[in-house]
Amino acid sequence: QKEVEQNSGPLSVPEGAIASLNCTYSDRGSQSFFWYRQYSGKSPELIMFIYSNGDKEDGRFTAQLNKASQYVSLLIRDSQPSDSATYLCAVKNSGYSTLTFGKGTMLLVSP
Amino acid sequence: GAVVSQHPSWVICKSGTSVKIECRSLDFQATTMFWYRQFPKQSLMLMATSNEGSKATYEQGVEKDKFLINHASLTLSTLTVTSAHPEDSSFYICSARGPNEQFFGPGTRLTVL
Repeated sequence: QKEVEQNSGPLSVPEGAIASLNCTYSDRGSQSFFWYRQYSGKSPELIMFIYSNGDKEDGRFTAQLNKASQYVSLLIRDSQPSDSATYLCAVKNSGYSTLTFGKGTMLLVSP
Repeated sequence: GAVVSQHPSWVICKSGTSVKIECRSLDFQATTMFWYRQFPKQSLMLMATSNEGSKATYEQGVEKDKFLINHASLTLSTLTVTSAHPEDSSFYICSARGPNEQFFGPGTRLTVL
């Protein structure tokens, strides 16, 4: 059974701080990793994805992969109240087109 | 990013009735679509993978005779919840597979009375 684990939170940070979100995964053969943001009552929206060949930065967001530890992180710099949402980590299952999602970490950014 | 629509966005029905949910990829052709279900404060759970022109692949524990999936064209997949019961009340979300990632529809909230 492929698993993706996330701390449910909530993770509370003040506005302007760096928020650090993490997940671990069990499928050692996974090559693609995704971070989605989900507001309450809405469907997920993709923030960014990375492959096993490196980290990625996009604006205030940085995704990092530690393949040896099977650990993916998302850093949000200069956090804004509008970043308050649940962040879902997803891992593409090796050999398949399907994704396994973690349960998500709730982020609360206070003004 | 690509646009995926779902219809209806919410539906309330009586127990025992059937409900059809449509998922459309509006600006690209999707040979593969996925159907998820999400209960409150839970993660997305993949129900099935829908492939255009062939039978859907259901995840373990999902009743294929209860959740009928049809992917008759490259832009449309439908999920029919047959003989719905209150425990089927959930948020149903489809996604369409793009070249690198999945694009999600806005979801359909189903309430079965």
